[in-house]
Amino acid sequence: DTQMTQSPSSVSASVGDRVTITCRASQGISSWLAWYQQKPGKAPKLLIYAASSLQSGVPSRFSGSGSGTDFTLTISSLQPEDFAIYYCQQANSFPITFGQGTRLEIK
Amino acid sequence: EVQLLESGGGLVQPGGSLRLSCAASGFTFRSYAMSWVRQAPGKGLEWVSAISVSGDNTYYADSVKGRFTISRDNSKNTLSLQMNSLRAEDTAVYYCAKGRQQGGYDAFDMWGQGTMVTVSS
Repeated sequence: DTQMTQSPSSVSASVGDRVTITCRASQGISSWLAWYQQKPGKAPKLLIYAASSLQSGVPSRFSGSGSGTDFTLTISSLQPEDFAIYYCQQANSFPITFGQGTRLEIK
Repeated sequence: EVQLLESGGGLVQPGGSLRLSCAASGFTFRSYAMSWVRQAPGKGLEWVSAISVSGDNTYYADSVKGRFTISRDNSKNTLSLQMNSLRAEDTAVYYCAKGRQQGGYDAFDMWGQGTMVTVSS
């Protein structure tokens, strides 16, 4: 199985800050990497697929990069609605696996 | 409007069974692979199972293999998850999720609201 490890587990930031979240795969997954945002009591929302492709309707302040084993999600200028938990997910092989999540909190 | 609506959750005793359903609307259901993803209270996301567009190919997490069965009825736009031999650790919100690409599994672009399954005596 491919293990996905996110860092940090939590981060505090202010509105307007630039934030980067990292996801590392235990083996190469090419660009089969997606990022999700989840708010309390809600279903996850797809932000990025294929490591760097922005899902329709997602603000351009979100961007993704990486390939192989190391990936990043960057929010260029945090907005109040961005405080949530973020998950990476690999789809290179079954079983599909998620990272443990990164909680983005208001400083 | 694209919508996924889960049902069938509830309280069940350890060792019991439950069948979850997911009603899809607003898209060509038969063209997309589908999955179940669960989230235990206060925990992260765990993929459970996936099924191909035709239903011929199914995939399971090791934690549920041999106990859960995924199926689909393309004539009724419905996804199902039969859960047997339930354990306390199966307690979670269960989401059905739509594959982003036709026939593909790369990402989940639509999720239901979730249905809670509680396994407890």
